[in-house]
Amino acid sequence: EPEVTQTPSHQVTQMGQEVILRCVPISNHLYFYWYRQILGQKVEFLVSFYNNEISEKSEIFDDQFSVERPDGSNFTLKIRSTKLEDSAMYFCASKREFSYNEQFFGPGTRLTVL
Amino acid sequence: SQKIEQNSEALNIQEGKTATLTCNYTNYSPAYLQWYRQDPGRGPVFLLLIRENEKEKRKERLKVTFDTTLKQSLFHITASQPADSATYLCALDEGGGNKLTFGTGTQLKVEL
Repeated sequence: EPEVTQTPSHQVTQMGQEVILRCVPISNHLYFYWYRQILGQKVEFLVSFYNNEISEKSEIFDDQFSVERPDGSNFTLKIRSTKLEDSAMYFCASKREFSYNEQFFGPGTRLTVL
Repeated sequence: SQKIEQNSEALNIQEGKTATLTCNYTNYSPAYLQWYRQDPGRGPVFLLLIRENEKEKRKERLKVTFDTTLKQSLFHITASQPADSATYLCALDEGGGNKLTFGTGTQLKVEL
C-alpha cells in the first residue's frame, strides 16, 4: 500500500540554523500539506500546496518557513533560522484530489532545537 | 475559526465494551468531519469521514454519528480490544479542502 515517507525521522539542530525537512507524498496525489505537533499539544496546520504554489498558510507559517516541490516526488519544508519553539513533530500529508476526502500522513520528523 | 473540543481526560474501558468519544465544535457546521487515530510518536491515520447530510457512518467495528443541530460528532468502537488503545482525533475542514483543524484528541485505553 502506498504511503507518505519523511526524512529524517529525527533532526537535532542549534538555534539559528537552517533545517530542511523532506517528504515524499503518495505518487498520484496532487495536494500536499505540512502540520506540526508540539509535544502534548494538538496537530496544527502550517501550509497547503497545490500546483506548485501555496494554497493556504496559517499564522505559524511566517517568513522563516518556506515550502518547495523541487522535483516530481519530493516536498520540502525549510525553516531558515530555527528557534527553540520550533521544536515539534512535523508531519507531511498528501491528498489525491480537492474534494472532501482523507489526508494521508507521514510518520513525522521530530525536530529538536537546542 | 472553529474551536473543536474533545474530552481531554483519558477514557479507560474494559475489553469487549463499547467506547464512545465525543467531538464538539463551536461555529458553523462543516461540510464533513473526519476521525483519525494517532499512536505515540506517529502520524495521524485516517479512520472515517462523515458528511453533513449523513447521520451515521460505519466501518467494521467503528461507527460515527454527526449531529449538526448539536454541533457534535460521536465516535464509537464496539467490542473494543487492547489494540484499539490510542489517541483519537476529530478534524474539521476549514479551508474548503485546503486544511484540517484538529481537536486535542482523546486517549483511549482498553484494558484486559
